[in-house]
Amino acid sequence: EAGVAQSPRYKIIEKRQSVAFWCNPISGHATLYWYQQILGQGPKLLIQFQNNGVVDDSQLPKDRFSAERLKGVDSTLKIQPAKLEDSAVYLCASSVLQGAANYGYTFGSGTRLTVV
Amino acid sequence: QKEVEQNSGPLSVPEGAIASLNCTYSDRGSQSFFWYRQYSGKSPELIMSIYSNGDKEDGRFTAQLNKASQYVSLLIRDSQPSDSATYLCAAHGGSWGKLQFGAGTQVVVTP
Repeated sequence: EAGVAQSPRYKIIEKRQSVAFWCNPISGHATLYWYQQILGQGPKLLIQFQNNGVVDDSQLPKDRFSAERLKGVDSTLKIQPAKLEDSAVYLCASSVLQGAANYGYTFGSGTRLTVV
Repeated sequence: QKEVEQNSGPLSVPEGAIASLNCTYSDRGSQSFFWYRQYSGKSPELIMSIYSNGDKEDGRFTAQLNKASQYVSLLIRDSQPSDSATYLCAAHGGSWGKLQFGAGTQVVVTP
């Protein structure tokens, strides 16, 4: 089974620039998540998709972050304009949900963003 | 109040000893609990899941859950240098599968 694919692996941009990250989940996984992990902290959920609909974006800074999941498969997370505090690893994960149980995520390799 | 709390460590463990990691959670509606291992510069890797009170063993790992006390723990027996990593505790609540992560406990296994 192929894992969760993410690109790019690394990105360095200047503040106020824009950046986009791409994620391809495991085939058949209807739920896709974007997490932000700042150095020394646990992952924080930014947005969760069920198929191509958003079910939770309560912690997404909507003035600068946007995400979409067209056709319920691939997803793109965009930051515009970037701030220094956006420096973090952006993790994509996918899962299969069955009822109210979650059988755990599979994370992609992440994109390490440095804003200078 | 953080929803999932862990001691940040580092937890220094001699090789061959037992590493004991603790985690508490605040949401009583949480139903599923997970331990992830994260090596430096890598993404989290699921190592254990537990859904009901009691112990669950998988190889050298044992997860323990006490829902009344809102407490989850992970034991690593016969610790090896390759176990040196940050261990993230995560709790799931609700029907949409949102996981809340703790900040992680760094484990250092010394030869």
